[in-house]
Amino acid sequence: GQQVMQIPQYQHVQEGEDFTTYCNSSTTLSNIQWYKQRPGGHPVFLIQLVKSGEVKKQKRLTFQFGEAKKNSSLHITATQTTDVGTYFCAGPTNFGNEKLTFGTGTRLTIIP
Amino acid sequence: DVKVTQSSRYLVKRTGEKVFLECVQDMDHENMFWYRQDPGLGLRLIYFSYDVKMKEKGDIPEGYSVSREKKERFSLILESASTNQTSMYLCASSLLTEQETQYFGPGTRLLVL
Repeated sequence: GQQVMQIPQYQHVQEGEDFTTYCNSSTTLSNIQWYKQRPGGHPVFLIQLVKSGEVKKQKRLTFQFGEAKKNSSLHITATQTTDVGTYFCAGPTNFGNEKLTFGTGTRLTIIP
Repeated sequence: DVKVTQSSRYLVKRTGEKVFLECVQDMDHENMFWYRQDPGLGLRLIYFSYDVKMKEKGDIPEGYSVSREKKERFSLILESASTNQTSMYLCASSLLTEQETQYFGPGTRLLVL
């Protein structure tokens, strides 16, 4: 079945440093979504990328969708303590658009 | 603003008990989902429903069942709880036509003793 892997599983960065998480799918995706889960919270939708090679920005966050539509990345510039949380990527499964396969997530902690 | 609520934030049950987890969404979404979240494993889909009385198995349906009698409500049932079902359970919903963006409830942390 479809697999979506994320690396790294954990990342500790000094406040102000940059952070990147990578997402790789075993199959081509029609789109990819990113979610953020704060500690003790639930996943919240951040963004969706649809086009091959697409790049979208949200303030200090930059999202990329690979040319082959099998990988994606999230880059945070100059991290802040509010960036703490687990970041998940997700893509539609092979069997229909209703279901998403979530990546394993990257937990980001910030050292003040 | 989409609101997805879950009946309990924390539950403690004993092995063999029948457990009901309820999820309600107020945005008339067609699709509803139940996931469990475990450290290092991410979110794994247990069951989903795309319409009233319709359900489909996800990746890990064993030991679970679901019920969707009304559009806004999706229940997850653990017929006989076991310790390996201790986990965080997350409900989500989405519109049929919104390219699968999912809205999550706050989660229920279940401990089975």
